[in-house]
Amino acid sequence: RKEVEQDPGPFNVPEGATVAFNCTYSNSASQSFFWYRQDCRKEPKLLMSVYSSGNEDGRFTAQLNRASQYISLLIRDSKLSDSATYLCVVGRVGRAGSYQLTFGKGTKLSVIP
Amino acid sequence: DVKVTQSSRYLVKRTGEKVFLECVQDMDHENMFWYRQDPGLGLRLIYFSYDVKMKEKGDIPEGYSVSREKKERFSLILESASTNQTSMYLCASGDRANYGYTFGSGTRLTVV
Repeated sequence: RKEVEQDPGPFNVPEGATVAFNCTYSNSASQSFFWYRQDCRKEPKLLMSVYSSGNEDGRFTAQLNRASQYISLLIRDSKLSDSATYLCVVGRVGRAGSYQLTFGKGTKLSVIP
Repeated sequence: DVKVTQSSRYLVKRTGEKVFLECVQDMDHENMFWYRQDPGLGLRLIYFSYDVKMKEKGDIPEGYSVSREKKERFSLILESASTNQTSMYLCASGDRANYGYTFGSGTRLTVV
């Protein structure tokens, strides 16, 4: 089983729609959780951290379920500028005691006018 | 803002050449990483370093080596470039806390 799994998509949604992405992780020792956004031919950028209590940043809501090892991202009122690939990311202490992130392969979102 | 700078945006090298990719960060981060990203394969960790002169192999270290002589600089070396090393190379840095990484803008390497 892959350490971080997510549906590759693509998700094609009209402007204004609500869209949800899901992700599962296999290592129960994981300690931190993030969503990154990657635009075409650009580097990944941190979108938001994810907490068990759930957290919101404008139109974006992230949720973590540790018992099910499941992470979600909800985007409300989609904009054309939201078109990107969204990477689910999980952090833990790995080899040599260093802190490491493991990236999912990403879910592609296209918002259509 | 944390800045991670990669020396080249685009690079074309010949098979067999020794290639150096440089990465510099300005936030005094302990941890630095080199990834490659290929379509359908996602980000794959090549090497990482958690301190000066320390290095650890990632998931795909074959054909690569690294150097970290100073805390702010982490270099990736392709000892003898091959066409299957054509890829986007991304450097990242992060501190010891549970925060996300910051990535450089990437180097798109083509080996011909």
